[in-house]
Amino acid sequence: EAGVTQSPTHLIKTRGQQATLRCSPISGHTSVYWYQQALGLGLQFLLWYDEGEERNRGNFPPRFSGRQFPNYSSELNVNALELEDSALYLCASSLPEAGLQETQYFGPGTRLLVL
Amino acid sequence: GDSVTQMEGPVTLSEEAFLTINCTYTATGYPSLFWYVQYPGEGLQLLLKATKADDKGSNKGFEATYRKETTSFHLEKGSVQVSDSAVYFCALSDSNQFYFGTGTSLTVIP
Repeated sequence: EAGVTQSPTHLIKTRGQQATLRCSPISGHTSVYWYQQALGLGLQFLLWYDEGEERNRGNFPPRFSGRQFPNYSSELNVNALELEDSALYLCASSLPEAGLQETQYFGPGTRLLVL
Repeated sequence: GDSVTQMEGPVTLSEEAFLTINCTYTATGYPSLFWYVQYPGEGLQLLLKATKADDKGSNKGFEATYRKETTSFHLEKGSVQVSDSAVYFCALSDSNQFYFGTGTSLTVIP
């Protein structure tokens, strides 16, 4: 069974540009989560999508947005990039049966560098 | 809001030593608790979980007990191996989102 996949693996942008990160969940998983893992800060919850709807978002500005497609894959968009957006962005997926009590399966991440 | 506080690292142990990584949490409801592990060059993966008070999660020789009275979920292993070298994350989930600790880096030396 294929795991969670993310693309690209690395992304280099300059301040003010936009970044688009992509995630494909495990087959059969309908929930997708996005996290930011900045150096020394652990994982910070960004967004949670389930069945195409945004269920919750973490404490991030509106320039962080995303969507989930009918095939349950997801995109994370970061507009007006700032230097502090440089981080590893992790996507995870899970089965929906028990909501957030379900185990999350993580992808390898996209490392975003903003210059 | 809910939060997780995790023992800071890095932690360095000799092979066969006893491991404890402390994790305490703050939550208003009845969260589920998790330990995730990130081996070098790999993504995060679930190590163990507990969904209610007094539950004990266990896997690969690691154990953690959900202690509501002390709001803790400490990770323990009786005898660590070199292959246990990784970063360990304590996490909590409530009805709205996941909260992760900052991670504890463990290095086991032969």
